[in-house]
Amino acid sequence: DTEVTQTPKHLVMGMTNKKSLKCEQHMGHRAMYWYKQKAKKPPELMFVYSYEKLSINESVPSRFSPECPNSSLLNLHLHALQPEDSALYLCASEAGGGLAALYNEQFFGPGTRLTVL
Amino acid sequence: AQSVTQLGSHVSVSEGALVLLRCNYSSSVPPYLFWYVQYPNQGLQLLLKYTSAATLVKGINGFEAEFKKSETSFHLTKPSAHMSDAAEYFCAVIRNAGNNRKLIWGLGTSLAVNP
Repeated sequence: DTEVTQTPKHLVMGMTNKKSLKCEQHMGHRAMYWYKQKAKKPPELMFVYSYEKLSINESVPSRFSPECPNSSLLNLHLHALQPEDSALYLCASEAGGGLAALYNEQFFGPGTRLTVL
Repeated sequence: AQSVTQLGSHVSVSEGALVLLRCNYSSSVPPYLFWYVQYPNQGLQLLLKYTSAATLVKGINGFEAEFKKSETSFHLTKPSAHMSDAAEYFCAVIRNAGNNRKLIWGLGTSLAVNP
């Protein structure tokens, strides 16, 4: 199974709502990523979890809160978002660990299309 | 620090024509380079990667790329374009920061294939 799944596919929320995005992989990967992507732009890194610990936070506003309950799951909790947060949110995973991992590729999920009204 | 530059934000070719998408890198250490493709309304898919094992790298869907150190380039080619190749293509390089690795992305090239 070389698939990263994300739910939901689409999400529309108001600025006062609380919602969560979910990501799952069963490849035994130990690094997982959240990206934000605007149309026709490259992905912007938000968070990296390595061995279930947060290792990179790219100065993301606190209205985005990541969580890694176990090595297969990654959540992104959303609260009090702004319309400019509307984007495609991508999850990725990578095998992680060791020198040989320097050129491991990241496997991407299909993304959640988020619209904030 | 490592970076990549993609020359040409839009490329248009005819079906059956050669596809050439350009990527130049900047790195003081041997780079690890990737090409990803993103079809409309989908996530990113790895086309190929350079790991220093061979300078000519073959990927999926008939794509290949050649690593040229003298030109600091890693251009993506396909001999004959197909309509289904229309997509956004991203070149990326790994940047190491301590125990963390990040992908540094180019701005992308949108490929249009005309019948």
